[in-house]
Order: sequence, then C-alpha cells, then structure tokens
Amino acid sequence: DSGVTQTPKHLITATGQRVTLRCSPRSGDLSVYWYQQSLDQGLQFLIQYYNGEERAKGNILERFSAQQFPDLHSELNLSSLELGDSALYFCASSPSGQTTYEQYFGPGTRLTVT
Amino acid sequence: QQPVQSPQAVILREGEDAVINCSSSKALYSVHWYRQKHGEAPVFLMILLKGGEQMRHEKISASFNEKKQQSSLYLTASQLSYSGTYFCGTEFPTNDYKLSFGAGTTVTVRA
Repeated sequence: DSGVTQTPKHLITATGQRVTLRCSPRSGDLSVYWYQQSLDQGLQFLIQYYNGEERAKGNILERFSAQQFPDLHSELNLSSLELGDSALYFCASSPSGQTTYEQYFGPGTRLTVT
Repeated sequence: QQPVQSPQAVILREGEDAVINCSSSKALYSVHWYRQKHGEAPVFLMILLKGGEQMRHEKISASFNEKKQQSSLYLTASQLSYSGTYFCGTEFPTNDYKLSFGAGTTVTVRA
C-alpha cells in the first residue's frame, strides 16, 4: 500500500459524458502527478500539481483539466468523453516538486467509455 | 520524447540474469525505473542521476551511461517475484518536471 488513494476504482460511462477522478496523496506529499495508461500508449504523463499550483503539463487534452485543493487532494476532470479515453488513470505523489524524487502511485481508476 | 526500451519482453527461469535497456535520443538528466505487476500500480525501484552512478534494489541494479544516453537495468539471479513490466522514465536537463516513460519490458520468471 503506497498511501495514495484514488476513487472510484472503476468507472463506466457513455461517450460525451463528464467524469471526475479523485486522488489523495500520501500524508506530507505536496506533489500530485496524473498519468494515463492505455494498452497501446503505455504510461503517459498528463499533469503535475505542487502545493496547489500547476507545475508541469504533459500530453493532456484540452477536454481534460485538473486541480489541487488546499488539503492537497487532487481531481482530474474528463469531459466530452470519447471511446479512446478508456484507460487506467493513475495519480502519484511525492514529497517534492522536483522529479528527482520517488513517486508513489495510487491503485488507479479504470475508466471505460462505452 | 519517449525513451525506447528493449527488449519488449523476456522470459527467464529462476536464477537466470537479464538486462533491460532504456535509450534516449536526447541528453538525459535522470533515469527512473519502476516495476508494475499485473493489475497493480507501478512501484519505484531506483533513480539514477547524471554522473554514471549505479544503484541497487535487492538483486536488481542499474547503470546510467550519459555519453550513450542510455540506462540499463540488470536482473541478477532472478526470482519469481521479479515478474512484471519494467518501465524506465527519463527526465531531460531542461528541468521541466516531466517524466517520459518507455513502453515497458515485460519480464516473466518461471520456476
């Protein structure tokens, strides 16, 4: 158990819908990272927040957005969902904003768009 | 740019050794190695920083060759618990806080 929690574990929704994925980092960790893992794309970095501020952006679609709240939990919002958005979404946390630190991954949210 | 991992998959018998390579087309600042077992989240193994250092996690070690822009992960005397998919993540000297992960190498260790 990494100490990172993600809810829900599974989500099944229809195309065009909007969903929110939630992540609570390990106690004391200030950074939250979001990753998308699909069979044909591997592990893709989406976005990083550090202490409430956006720190880095990866291959995140405009239909996706995220935020980190004062209590450091983070939410990833996915809208206008398409079939291709079906994937496993991981969040990870680390104590620092620097990437030269170990990242602790949560169990993931499996999103299925039908 | 996504690093290139090789091989894509490897099958070992317990006690055998294997090497997984991670190559980049650009100069690297650091290389991170993670292992993901089926149905689970990736778990950190080690980070190698620019400087050619070697790191170790149990009987798994890694090296980082800056000139070749490559890192290698060495699985020595493999155990059944080493089975999983190994990912390397690379960071460039631009300090943009991003990790780019390779496609992964699936390791299967058989008794």
